[in-house]
Amino acid sequence: DSGVTQTPKHLITATGQRVTLRCSPRSGDLSVYWYQQSLDQGLQFLIQYYNGEERAKGNILERFSAQQFPDLHSELNLSSLELGDSALYFCASTRTGEGSNTEAFFGQGTRLTVV
Amino acid sequence: GQSLEQPSEVTAVEGAIVQINCTYQTSGFYGLSWYQQHDGGAPTFLSYNALDGLEETGRFSSFLSRSDSYGYLLLQELQMKDSASYFCAVLNSNYQLIWGAGTKLIIKP
Repeated sequence: DSGVTQTPKHLITATGQRVTLRCSPRSGDLSVYWYQQSLDQGLQFLIQYYNGEERAKGNILERFSAQQFPDLHSELNLSSLELGDSALYFCASTRTGEGSNTEAFFGQGTRLTVV
Repeated sequence: GQSLEQPSEVTAVEGAIVQINCTYQTSGFYGLSWYQQHDGGAPTFLSYNALDGLEETGRFSSFLSRSDSYGYLLLQELQMKDSASYFCAVLNSNYQLIWGAGTKLIIKP
């Protein structure tokens, strides 16, 4: 158990809909990362938050948004869903946003299926 | 742009040794990490190299050459359970983890 909790584990929804994925980082970790992984593909970095503030942005579509709350949990919002958005979405957390700790702990992911 | 290159697939025999290479081009460099991911599972941390040289952890070792922007993961005494995808990742000067596309390791009996 990595200590990172993601909900829900599975999600099936129709095209055009909107969903929210939730992530609770490890206790004490200030930094949260979101990744998208399509079938047999690598990890695509979406966005990083550190202590409530957006820290870095990757290949995140405008239809997607995220935020980190004061209790440090984070939500990833996906709207106007398309079939191509079907993927595993991972959340990871690290102790700090700085280089002192590089080990990222991953949640078990949310498998999103858009039909 | 920033990129990490690693082979897409490597095949080896149970009990053998395999090396997975990673070359990188990033804006700054703090260290190279390796992660293992089994099908359908989450990536798990294996190792981190900040300095040149070889780091050994049991059957797994990781090497870094900063001057060559190159590193590798060495897996010895391969077991069937080592069948997985292996990702290298670089921590750049903005403290971002930049990921390789992953290497699928196939182990044959």
